[in-house]
Amino acid sequence: DGGITQSPKYLFRKEGQNVTLSCEQNLNHDAMYWYRQDPGQGLRLIYYSQIVNDFQKGDIAEGYSVSREKKESFPLTVTSAQKNPTAFYLCASREAGAGQPQHFGDGTRLSIL
Amino acid sequence: RKEVEQDPGPFNVPEGATVAFNCTYSNSASQSFFWYRQDCRKEPKLLMSVYSSGNEDGRFTAQLNRASQYISLLIRDSKLSDSATYLCVVNLRGYNKLIFGAGTRLAVHP
Repeated sequence: DGGITQSPKYLFRKEGQNVTLSCEQNLNHDAMYWYRQDPGQGLRLIYYSQIVNDFQKGDIAEGYSVSREKKESFPLTVTSAQKNPTAFYLCASREAGAGQPQHFGDGTRLSIL
Repeated sequence: RKEVEQDPGPFNVPEGATVAFNCTYSNSASQSFFWYRQDCRKEPKLLMSVYSSGNEDGRFTAQLNRASQYISLLIRDSKLSDSATYLCVVNLRGYNKLIFGAGTRLAVHP
């Protein structure tokens, strides 16, 4: 089945540790996105990538890094510089062109120990 | 002013009720519009795209008013399973990213 796979589903981070969240899609979509959602809040854009080897900062990029070496993969690293990383992280992808919606993975819940 | 604004709710309605959600957007260059549904602790899922002429999918009807920069979603004959948060989403012309509203929570009770 075509879709977006995020892993792991749950992740725990120690103080001062970097962790990487995986996002893979087999939809052949050019654009991929990372969002953060805090309890009771809306989605906030962290980073997005429109093509391989290119990405742009979203609204809350500080403390995060990404790479886009392959079309199907867009991993997100939560660095130790992100002081409040506990949140629900959602990856999405989208076909290029006007009128195209985004499709989401089922998310990773990150908690700090 | 937020780019996409929604009434946060919650809207508490009985089964069988008709409920309407409104959404306003600030940028007149907005080109594409969507409604997503998000269940508690789950990912958002596309409910329907919103077309200029309005569109219907079963019990759901979406309307767009470009002059007033306003989108609506009408749910008829509410079911318990409609309980969720409904997100209004806008795409600006020339930008390859979607802007999400904070969502309106719906609770349908027996």
